[in-house]
Formats: sequence, structure tokens, C-alpha cells
Amino acid sequence: AQTVTQSQPEMSVQEAETVTLSCTYDTSESDYYLFWYKQPPSRQMILVIRQEAYKQQNATENRFSVNFQKAAKSFSLKISDSQLGDAAMYFCAYRSAILDDMRFGAGTRLTVKP
Amino acid sequence: DTGVSQNPRHKITKRGQNVTFRCDPISEHNRLYWYRQTLGQGPEFLTYFQNEAQLEKSRLLSDRFSAERPKGSFSTLEIQRTEQGDSAMYLCASSPQASGQGARETQYFGPGTRLLVL
Repeated sequence: AQTVTQSQPEMSVQEAETVTLSCTYDTSESDYYLFWYKQPPSRQMILVIRQEAYKQQNATENRFSVNFQKAAKSFSLKISDSQLGDAAMYFCAYRSAILDDMRFGAGTRLTVKP
Repeated sequence: DTGVSQNPRHKITKRGQNVTFRCDPISEHNRLYWYRQTLGQGPEFLTYFQNEAQLEKSRLLSDRFSAERPKGSFSTLEIQRTEQGDSAMYLCASSPQASGQGARETQYFGPGTRLLVL
């Protein structure tokens, strides 16, 4: 079974600085999708960024980028120029290309200090 | 259409009572998913529908849980004889028809229904 591990329960970053959130996963499949979702306090989960495993190029979305290392089964999220509104729980998620359930990590709580 | 909606947003019930939650997906999304999220954890998959067909159920979905999507639009999740361990956030998500590689795979989440069983 696929598992997703986020080894950092909490992270803190100074406003305008850069922070990297770690995620590793375990799978025997070659085709799959990886996601980072953001869940602000008492608000709904929103998609931050998505990576298809067959793509070698790392995905980027404005200030958010990933470092996808397929061989190492690693999928980290880098947030540049951190803003106060980035404070939230961040969940890494894995979705098989075959099965339809998405597996989430336990999350990393990001605090942004002014 | 502004996104996935869920009702109610909060529900407090006594142990042994039945509760029902509703999810309205984004229009024309044919896939609908239910997840459960306990405090401090990531969401856990419960079940999903493609149109009105329920295609997969997790082992987490005991016999007390039932989900329906009768017309392929909104869905309901019912919990019978609630237990204190059912207290959690119940999340609904939907995903679109495949319009390109990867598009079908992205799930859009609703705000959730927070259940507290006393």
C-alpha cells in the first residue's frame, strides 16, 4: 500500500524568506500523481501544486515550486518570498494512476513570522 | 458555480443517533469523493462515486456508514448509530471529466462538515 510521510510536524519561516517542506512516499507504481494541498485554519483545503510522475520537469506555480526526485521518492515543496497568508497546514498527497483513492501525509503546520 | 459545498458545516449529536451530510460537487464534475479527517491528521479516503455508481469503499467505511449519489449530482453520507469515535471532519471532493492528462486527477475540496458525537 502506498504511504506518504511528512517528517516535519511544524515549520516556521520569516516573512519574505524561503521555506522547504519535505515529503516522501512509498510506492511500487511507475505512474502516479503528487499534490500539495494547503488547509488554512478553519478553512477548506485548496490545491497548491500538482506533479505528474511521468514529467521530469519540476512543477512551479508562482512562489511555489517542487523538487520531485522520483528515484528517491521525494516530493518537497518550496515556498519563496513567504507571506503571512501562507500560514496553514500543508498536506502532501499521492494518487495512483490506477486507483482512485488519494493518500495524504499527516501534514506540516507552517507558521509565518512577521 | 463557486466550488464544492457541504451542509451542514457543523453537527453535534448524541451517541446512537443517525446523521446525514450532504455534498454538492462542482457542476459537471462526474467524480465525487468522501474523506474523513481527524484532528492533527491528513484526510483518509472513505469512498468515491463516478456519476451515480459507487466504485470504491475503504475498509474505514463500516456497515454503519452509507453513501449515495442517486442522480449523479449531489451526494449524501449517512452515519447510523453514531459513536464517539465518529467525531471528525468529513470532507467531500470532486474532480472533472478527463480533459487532459492529469486534469481528472485533481480533486477540489469542500469546506467539510465537522461532526461531534457526545
